[in-house]
Amino acid sequence: AQSVTQLGSHVSVSEGALVLLRCNYSSSVPPYLFWYVQYPNQGLQLLLKYTSAATLVKGINGFEAEFKKSETSFHLTKPSAHMSDAAEYFCAVRGSGNTPLVFGKGTRLSVIA
Amino acid sequence: DAGVIQSPRHEVTEMGQEVTLRCKPISGHNSLFWYRQTMMRGLELLIYFNNNVPIDDSGMPEDRFSAKMPNASFSTLKIQPSEPRDSAVYFCASSPLAAGPKETQYFGPGTRLLVL
Repeated sequence: AQSVTQLGSHVSVSEGALVLLRCNYSSSVPPYLFWYVQYPNQGLQLLLKYTSAATLVKGINGFEAEFKKSETSFHLTKPSAHMSDAAEYFCAVRGSGNTPLVFGKGTRLSVIA
Repeated sequence: DAGVIQSPRHEVTEMGQEVTLRCKPISGHNSLFWYRQTMMRGLELLIYFNNNVPIDDSGMPEDRFSAKMPNASFSTLKIQPSEPRDSAVYFCASSPLAAGPKETQYFGPGTRLLVL
């Protein structure tokens, strides 16, 4: 079985500051990991995904995440926050086969001018 | 290309009424997922289909919920009778089956359901 824990339901950063959103996973098989972003009243959009190729994954909008097996983590970072980054971010895990995503509870990111 | 299409976008109904949510997956995608999002429970899977066949419906809350996929381009999620606790955002997502777990799931815009 797979599960995801996102530490911090709400993170607030200043514009231009580093963004760090934490995600730890649990999986009985090699995991596939995803970060999605949800803007208000919209669906989920894929930011990036880890599929066992490179451990450092670069996504859209300047985000990246590093897969650390020893720490069972897949934290999302962005060097410099922009006002448009304010949204809810979801980490998700998937095991083998075409199984559904298992989502974390989400982290709401606020960016302060 | 059109993404996943869901209708209606918003639905307000009274308790006891039947509600039908609709989804059109991306053309060529043969896996379809229904998720529900609430403040209390977050995003949770209700049911998913591969090649129009339901694979796992263990997330369907109770017998009031039913889902069908009569063909590769259409799925419905029905609630009968609806209750206030069913108020949530319902998402449909699709992905190609062949590529396996590394494949991205593409989400529709969701249907916001409010049951009074």
